[in-house]
Amino acid sequence: DTGVSQDPRHKITKRGQNVTFRCDPISEHNRLYWYRQTLGQGPEFLTYFQNEAQLEKSRLLSDRFSAERPKGSFSTLEIQRTEQGDSAMYLCASSLAGDSPLHFGNGTRLTVT
Amino acid sequence: GDSVTQMEGPVTLSEEAFLTINCTYTATGYPSLFWYVQYPGEGLQLLLKATKADDKGSNKGFEATYRKETTSFHLEKGSVQVSDSAVYFCALSVIGANSKLTFGKGITLSVRP
Repeated sequence: DTGVSQDPRHKITKRGQNVTFRCDPISEHNRLYWYRQTLGQGPEFLTYFQNEAQLEKSRLLSDRFSAERPKGSFSTLEIQRTEQGDSAMYLCASSLAGDSPLHFGNGTRLTVT
Repeated sequence: GDSVTQMEGPVTLSEEAFLTINCTYTATGYPSLFWYVQYPGEGLQLLLKATKADDKGSNKGFEATYRKETTSFHLEKGSVQVSDSAVYFCALSVIGANSKLTFGKGITLSVRP
């Protein structure tokens, strides 16, 4: 069990640029989640995959955000035309089906200047 | 909708002091309740959980009891250590909601020697 891996750890970008983050879940986990955490707040749910199917998206996920999990393994989260309000920690988590706990990665910290 | 409310922080205690961190919730269904911890520089880790009323979750000397009548899941530890310094998040997930977690804002605990 190597844990959930996220890349990069930090990303600084200029407003208007596109960014893409990657998440590698624990290998046998079929569920994958993306969360966003801003300073002083708890993580907020963005989207959820079961295998390759994106089954739920939060209202927080505007049309500038897109997530994929093409082969049911790793996932990417892309933000187009970044805005300063997108600055946050983006967390990925994975789990087995059922009542299994979520395992979180260390996150990608995005700073939009 | 579902929500979790945590007491305001931060909390600073001396080593060996008693700790209580309050957490209350509202949920549309019958939730499972969790405490997650985030140590400095690390990802979120599950500390303990309880899945039904009157269940007590425990781990590393921490305990929390699922109180349906007061919709609470307060975290306690009898004697804190410097190594317990971290951010603590209360969270819930509702059965049938894809194990999606709803988090509170988190509270920072600092334990001084």
